[in-house]
Amino acid sequence: DAKTTQPNSMESNEEEPVHLPCNHSTISGTDYIHWYRQLPSQGPEYVIHGLTSNVNNRMASLAIAEDRKSSTLILHRATLRDAAVYYCILRDEDSGYALNFGKGTSLLVTP
Amino acid sequence: GAGVSQSPSNKVTEKGKDVELRCDPISGHTALYWYRQSLGQGLEFLIYFQGNSAPDKSGLPSDRFSAERTGGSVSTLTIQRTQQEDSAVYLCASSLEYTGTKETQYFGPGTRLLVL
Repeated sequence: DAKTTQPNSMESNEEEPVHLPCNHSTISGTDYIHWYRQLPSQGPEYVIHGLTSNVNNRMASLAIAEDRKSSTLILHRATLRDAAVYYCILRDEDSGYALNFGKGTSLLVTP
Repeated sequence: GAGVSQSPSNKVTEKGKDVELRCDPISGHTALYWYRQSLGQGLEFLIYFQGNSAPDKSGLPSDRFSAERTGGSVSTLTIQRTQQEDSAVYLCASSLEYTGTKETQYFGPGTRLLVL
């Protein structure tokens, strides 16, 4: 898998937008960008994925840079329930079956 | 619909004992994965099942670990002669099928194993 780099931790106030960055400068043309999150004491949860275009779903938005060397997960209005570790993962045809979670970004949301 | 379920939620065992962990994937999902997460560590892939194909066991840490999937549905992860370093959360995931770049894996809540 191509490598991703995320900040170890970030903090946000409740009801404010959160932008979680991910750098993936060695991404290849066929790599999909996936985001998962893991709430405390729970299994990971799929958030969103994309290839080139920005993506929106009910949970979040994914903004992908034009050169695809970085992406940003956007939570439009953080809630206390969004406090979790967020993982940015690249998937290509040679990734194999496992998701390579790395260390992720631990998001703290304060009231 | 029902998500991935795992049992037991918690398991405490003594060193040297065997344990069995169970995973019920989402109905209709043909791909099933086992991971483990040690305290403060990332998720480590263990094994993968897809339909009737031979499983990918490349992530199993030792021959004390084995897994089977009966009838293409329920899976059991067995750890023989448990060691203290086996203490971890064991997570099961399933996906509709393995499509590589786009498939979404759905995770269960995990089984917390403590080996005394």
